[in-house]
Amino acid sequence: AQKITQTQPGMFVQEKEAVTLDCTYDTSDPSYGLFWYKQPSSGEMIFLIYQGSYDQQNATEGRYSLNFQKARKSANLVISASQLGDSAMYFCAMREWDSGYSTLTFGKGTMLLVSP
Amino acid sequence: NAGVTQTPKFQVLKTGQSMTLQCAQDMNHEYMSWYRQDPGMGLRLIHYSVGAGITDQGEVPNGYNVSRSTTEDFPLRLLSAAPSQTSVYFCASSSGTSRHEQFFGPGTRLTVL
Repeated sequence: AQKITQTQPGMFVQEKEAVTLDCTYDTSDPSYGLFWYKQPSSGEMIFLIYQGSYDQQNATEGRYSLNFQKARKSANLVISASQLGDSAMYFCAMREWDSGYSTLTFGKGTMLLVSP
Repeated sequence: NAGVTQTPKFQVLKTGQSMTLQCAQDMNHEYMSWYRQDPGMGLRLIHYSVGAGITDQGEVPNGYNVSRSTTEDFPLRLLSAAPSQTSVYFCASSSGTSRHEQFFGPGTRLTVL
């Protein structure tokens, strides 16, 4: 079974609108972390936001927020007021502990296109 | 503070050739990892290290070898390149904090003919 599922291969949004990118995860580890990364066409991986499994509140970083629903095992990324520069591939990832070591598993990504 | 650096940026190999992808970090991070990125597959973990002298396999380790003799460096060796190893390779490092945010290098685009 996939540990991280991103069901939206591509999303379109108009500039200044909000958009939600979906991510569901599967783990039996009680202590885990969830990340979102952005990969623009230039190829670098840019960290956006982090949510720990014990965090009580949803994480926010500027225009990015993470809608964390632990019981549903979902960690959706919400981008408010989309900008043209938000056009990129977005990856959801999960950190787990395996035999005492931390590993990161990525979803397959969602391509976001922001139109004027 | 350069962060995570990778060399080369681009490389073309012939089937059967060997090469080493270099990765270095100057943040004194304990953890370092290698990922490969293929279209439609996201990033998949090849090997990782939790400190000098300690390495372990990830999801797709076959055909790759790693060692970690210093905290700063974590080279990835392709022993006998195959076309299936055509990919973009990312090196990443993270500290031992609870968040374990990974800092990525710029990537190496490898083509095996």
